[in-house]
Amino acid sequence: DIQMTQSPSSLSASVGDRVTITCRASQSISTYLNWYQQKPGKAPNLLIHAASSLQSGVPSRFSGSGSGTDFTLTISSLQPEDFVSYYCQQSHSAPWTFGQGTKVEIK
Amino acid sequence: EVQVVESGGNLVQPGGSLRLSCVASGFIFSNNWMSWVRQAPGKGLEWVANIRRDGNEIYYADSVKGRFTISRDNARNSLYLQMNNLRAEDAAVYYCARIVEPSDYRYYMDVWGKGTTVTVSS
Repeated sequence: DIQMTQSPSSLSASVGDRVTITCRASQSISTYLNWYQQKPGKAPNLLIHAASSLQSGVPSRFSGSGSGTDFTLTISSLQPEDFVSYYCQQSHSAPWTFGQGTKVEIK
Repeated sequence: EVQVVESGGNLVQPGGSLRLSCVASGFIFSNNWMSWVRQAPGKGLEWVANIRRDGNEIYYADSVKGRFTISRDNARNSLYLQMNNLRAEDAAVYYCARIVEPSDYRYYMDVWGKGTTVTVSS
C-alpha cells in the first residue's frame, strides 16, 4: 500500500500569510494526487486534482505542485475561512490512501 | 443540482450489521465510479471502497475486506454499503462520493454527501 505523509500535522499562521503544506508518498505516484479541504462537521471539499489542477470554483489563492513522491499545497494569502483542515489523497493505485491531515490554526 | 445523499447510519452492537444507502441526483449516475470514505470521531479521512460504473470492478480497504460489500443499482441511482460483523473501530461518519474519471485516469472525488453516522457500541 502507498503511504501518504503530510507535514506539518498542524500550523499556526495569520490572515494574509503564505502557507505551504507538504505531502510525501512512499513510492512514486506521478501526479495522481488530490487535495481536499474540510471544515469542522462538514464533508471534504475538493481543491486540487492531478497535483496542480485547480477545481472549478476554488479560489486562485490555492495552488498545488509536485510529481513523483513530493507534493505541496500552497495558500498564497490566508483568509479567515481557510483556517480548517487539509488532506492529500493518492489515486495511483488501490487502496487509495489519505494523508493524516494538516490543521491550519490562527496564530 | 448535483448531489449525493447518504442514509442508514445508526447505533449497532459489535458484531451486528448495517446497510448504508446513497442516492444520487443531478447527474447520470451510471457514468461514474463511486466511493465510500469514512471518518472516525476526531480522526482523519479513510477510504473504504470504490465501485465501477457497471458494478463489475470493486476495490476495498484492507480494514473492511471480507466484512463490507459495496454495490450499486443504476436504475435507482443508488449506492450501497453492506457492513457486517461491525467492530468498535468501524464507528465513523460515512461519506458517499462521486469519482471523476478523466481521460488520463487521474481519478478524484468531486461531489460528497453530508455523511451518515455509524455508532458501534453495546
